[in-house]
Amino acid sequence: ETGVTQTPRHLVMGMTNKKSLKCEQHLGHNAMYWYKQSAKKPLELMFVYNFKEQTENNSVPSRFSPECPNSSHLFLHLHTLQPEDSALYLCASSRDSGVGSDTQYFGPGTRLTVL
Amino acid sequence: GQNIDQPTEMTATEGAIVQINCTYQTSGFNGLFWYQQHAGEAPTFLSYNVLDGLEEKGRFSSFLSRSKGYSYLLLKELQMKDSASYLCAVVDSNYQLIWGAGTKLIIKP
Repeated sequence: ETGVTQTPRHLVMGMTNKKSLKCEQHLGHNAMYWYKQSAKKPLELMFVYNFKEQTENNSVPSRFSPECPNSSHLFLHLHTLQPEDSALYLCASSRDSGVGSDTQYFGPGTRLTVL
Repeated sequence: GQNIDQPTEMTATEGAIVQINCTYQTSGFNGLFWYQQHAGEAPTFLSYNVLDGLEEKGRFSSFLSRSKGYSYLLLKELQMKDSASYLCAVVDSNYQLIWGAGTKLIIKP
């Protein structure tokens, strides 16, 4: 399934670095999501965009800054991260964000390590 | 608060049947999803239930009881490739997905 792609797949960064994660969906969906997945913990929803507008920000620290230039692309800009931010960052898309039955399709994730 | 509970890990034998349970307490209910996630890969959709009862899809079936806040995923004729984590997620009243921590299923020959 290559409907949702993410780059890079792996990223190691220092606490003072600035980096960006990229997500692209080829499914014609209108909603895109950023999730954080830590070992043995539930997926944590970070941000939701619907038709390029941010509709959800789940109290995410400002060191994470999302950007959605169009319905197909989603970025997560990272700066001055902490070691506890090390995790798998997953991007997902769905037809819409307000419909219960809409399936979310996930990208393979970016494995982030903060030193 | 909102809570999804599922066992952390289960072990089963190739060719057997396994049932993975999920119980939930959420603010509202607009459906329940099951996803499969192989190590290092994306979660992939398995099933969606919004009405009570059993939905069968090949070797995999999913059951829902809304009155009991309970679902299970049933995997038959287990194969080695079924070794993965299985994630339960509930759509709450705000149409957000509330996720369980996942059940790691280990299949032994």
